[in-house]
Amino acid sequence: DQQVKQNSPSLSVQEGRISILNCDYTNSMFDYFLWYKKYPAEGPTFLISISSIKDKNEDGRFTVFLNKSAKHLSLHIVPSQPGDSAVYFCAASASGAGSYQLTFGKGTKLSVIP
Amino acid sequence: DADVTQTPRNRITKTGKRIMLECSQTKGHDRMYWYRQDPGLGLQLIYYSFDVKDINKGEISDGYSVSRQAQAKFSLSLESAIPNQTALYFCATSDASPGGKTDTQYFGPGTRLTVL
Repeated sequence: DQQVKQNSPSLSVQEGRISILNCDYTNSMFDYFLWYKKYPAEGPTFLISISSIKDKNEDGRFTVFLNKSAKHLSLHIVPSQPGDSAVYFCAASASGAGSYQLTFGKGTKLSVIP
Repeated sequence: DADVTQTPRNRITKTGKRIMLECSQTKGHDRMYWYRQDPGLGLQLIYYSFDVKDINKGEISDGYSVSRQAQAKFSLSLESAIPNQTALYFCATSDASPGGKTDTQYFGPGTRLTVL
């Protein structure tokens, strides 16, 4: 049973436009959410996170939105740049329940077209 | 220099062979993790360790064992490799110190393992 779902395996966006990556989760115990970015032949790199006490967190061009009632989060990249082309993984943990294990989605491959 | 290093970066081995993947970190983090990634799938947790004396199984530990030799070193062993263990393997660390971002994990560059 997949607890973290990224339903779009791939996404293509023009340079300068907004990229929106989506993630849904089913476990109501999840209270901390992260986005990782992964280039080929490299390990995942931490991008941005959000605690369940917030509904938005922003860091430069990256913003994560959390909708707890819908069990949905999204990552917005504005403006998108060719260097943003990578696989993006959504991850979640239930730290409030004492579990710091991360559960990952399958990833979305973002292609930013110059 | 990289904070989390993995050796080897690539390995080809044969069915039945024993193989060890090593992970070292200079971040000073207490917690270390091993994941595998298969094509088109997310990362799955194999084992994790919250300190040198603490080892825990993850969701897919069968066929694997680990050793936490020191705070900075965490190795993963395949006692008798089989082809369906062909995958990318990642080591990660997180900071459990007071005020640390315990949930945020930092990954090594990965080891690509092929079992023939």
